[in-house]
Parts: sequence; C-alpha cells; structure tokens
Amino acid sequence: DIVLTQSPGTLSLSPGESATLSCRASQSATNRYLAWYQQKPGQAPRLLIFGASRRVTGIPDRFSGSGSGADFTLTISSLEPEDFAVYYCQQYGSSPPTLGQGTKVEIK
Amino acid sequence: EVQLVESGGGVVRPGGSLRLSCAASGFTFEEYGMSWVRQTPGKGLEWVSGINWNGGSADYADSVKGRFTISRDNAKNSLYLQMNSLRAEDTALYFCARALSRYYFYYMDVWGKGTTVSVSS
Repeated sequence: DIVLTQSPGTLSLSPGESATLSCRASQSATNRYLAWYQQKPGQAPRLLIFGASRRVTGIPDRFSGSGSGADFTLTISSLEPEDFAVYYCQQYGSSPPTLGQGTKVEIK
Repeated sequence: EVQLVESGGGVVRPGGSLRLSCAASGFTFEEYGMSWVRQTPGKGLEWVSGINWNGGSADYADSVKGRFTISRDNAKNSLYLQMNSLRAEDTALYFCARALSRYYFYYMDVWGKGTTVSVSS
C-alpha cells in the first residue's frame, strides 16, 4: 500500500498569509493521481484538487496544487478566514486508495 | 441534488455486528464506484472499503479485511457495509463517498454526512 505522509502536522498562520502543505508518497503516485480535500469541524471532506493540480469547479484560484512522482504540494496563496481547516491528500493511482494523516491550518 | 445519506450506525458490543447503508440520489448510481471512509474521534480519515460500479471488484483496508463486507444494490441505489467482529478501534464516523469513476480507487467528489458507530462494552 502507498503511505502518504503530510507535513507539517499543524500550520499556524494569519489571514492573508500563504500556506504551503506537503504530501509525500512512499512510492510514486501513478500519473499524478493525487487529490486534496478540505475538512471543517462537523463537516464531510470537500474535494479541492485532483490530478495533482486540477482545481474543482467553484474552488477559488488561491488554491493550487503541484508536484509529481512522490512529492506533492498544496498552496493557499492568501488565507481567507474560511480556509482554516484540516487538509488531506489522497492517492488513487493504485488500490487501496490511501489518505494522508492531515495538516491542520489554524489561525495564529 | 446529488446526495448520499448514510444510516445504520449505533452502539454495539465488541464482537458484535452492524450493517451500514448509504442511499444515493440525484445521479445514476450504477455508473460510479463507491467507497466507505471512516474518521475516528479527533483523528484523520481512513479509507475502509470500495466497490466498482457493477460490484464485480472490491477491496478493503488491512484493518478490516476478513471482518467487513461491502456490497451494492444498483436497483435500489444503495451501498452497504456489513461489519462483523467489531472492535473498539472500529469506533468512528463512517462516510459514504462517490468516486468520480466506475472504479472505487479514484478521487471522491460527493460525500455523505456520515453515520456514527460506537463499539463499547
């Protein structure tokens, strides 16, 4: 199984600052089959990015994904108050699909 | 409106069984792979099990293999998870999620609100 390791565990930032979240896979994620989700307390996860860099319709362009092989990044260019949440990466290049342990972006 | 609604959660003793259901609406259920994903209290997400559009292929996380069985009834637009030999560590919020593919190992674009399973003596 592919293990995804997200870092850092927690990111303490102020609104307006930029956030950089990392997701590293134990093996190469085939064909950039890497997705990012946002989860807020009491809510289900919401898909933000798929194919490593393709933004879901309706997701603000301040969210961007990049990377290939085993190293991927989610960048939030200028944090809005509603962006403070937990973010998970998921690989779907092979079965079983696996998720990272999450990065919490909290208000500093 | 595209929607997934889970049900069947509850409190069960260790060693017991539960059957979770997920009712789909607003889309052609038989065209999509489906998964169950769980979240333990205060912890992260764990993919539990997935099934292809026609039920022909399924897979499980190692932590539940041999104890859980996923199935679907496309005529009823429903997904199921039969959970046997439950353990305390199975206590979690269980989400039903749609894969944007006929295959379950894909990204998940629609999620239900979840149903809570609590395993306790």
